[in-house]
Amino acid sequence: DAKTTQPNSMESNEEEPVHLPCNHSTISGTDYIHWYRQLPSQGPEYVIHGLTSNVNNRMASLAIAEDRKSSTLILHRATLRDAAVYYCILRDVVTSYGKLTFGQGTILTVHP
Amino acid sequence: DSGVTQTPKHLITATGQRVTLRCSPRSGDLSVYWYQQSLDQGLQFLIQYYNGEERAKGNILERFSAQQFPDLHSELNLSSLELGDSALYFCASSVEGTSGPQETQYFGPGTRLLVL
Repeated sequence: DAKTTQPNSMESNEEEPVHLPCNHSTISGTDYIHWYRQLPSQGPEYVIHGLTSNVNNRMASLAIAEDRKSSTLILHRATLRDAAVYYCILRDVVTSYGKLTFGQGTILTVHP
Repeated sequence: DSGVTQTPKHLITATGQRVTLRCSPRSGDLSVYWYQQSLDQGLQFLIQYYNGEERAKGNILERFSAQQFPDLHSELNLSSLELGDSALYFCASSVEGTSGPQETQYFGPGTRLLVL
């Protein structure tokens, strides 16, 4: 699987936007970019995914660079409940066999 | 609530013992995945079942085995337990698990295993 690189940790204040970066310079043309997050003492949960175009859903937005070598997960107004580990994952139909390959992720701390 | 249930929530056992972890997928999901989360290795994929058949294997030890039953629930069996097997074990499910790159997985709350 192609590798992703994320900062170990980031901090934000409540109600401010948060931009979580992910580098994936070896991404292939068929790799989808997925984001999952893991709240404390819980299992991971899906956040958003995309291929080439920017994506929005009720939880977040995903901005994908034109060359697809990086992406940014955007939380528009962070809440205390958004404090979690955020994982950027590439999924390829040929090699992933459905599994998710988690890296170390970014620990997001949200301050009141 | 993801709709995926796992039992038990916590398990404490001794080295050399055998335990069984159980997972019930979301209604309608045919695929079940097992993951292990430890402090040193992070979240790692162990094995995937689809509609009763093994579909993919990851970093699963030979001492570990799994199966998926006709009602689609799954069990992960861990035997000859070692201290290093202490970890969180997560089950996830998805609709088809046909390795479609857009597919979402739904995770259960996990079973915390402590081997003493």
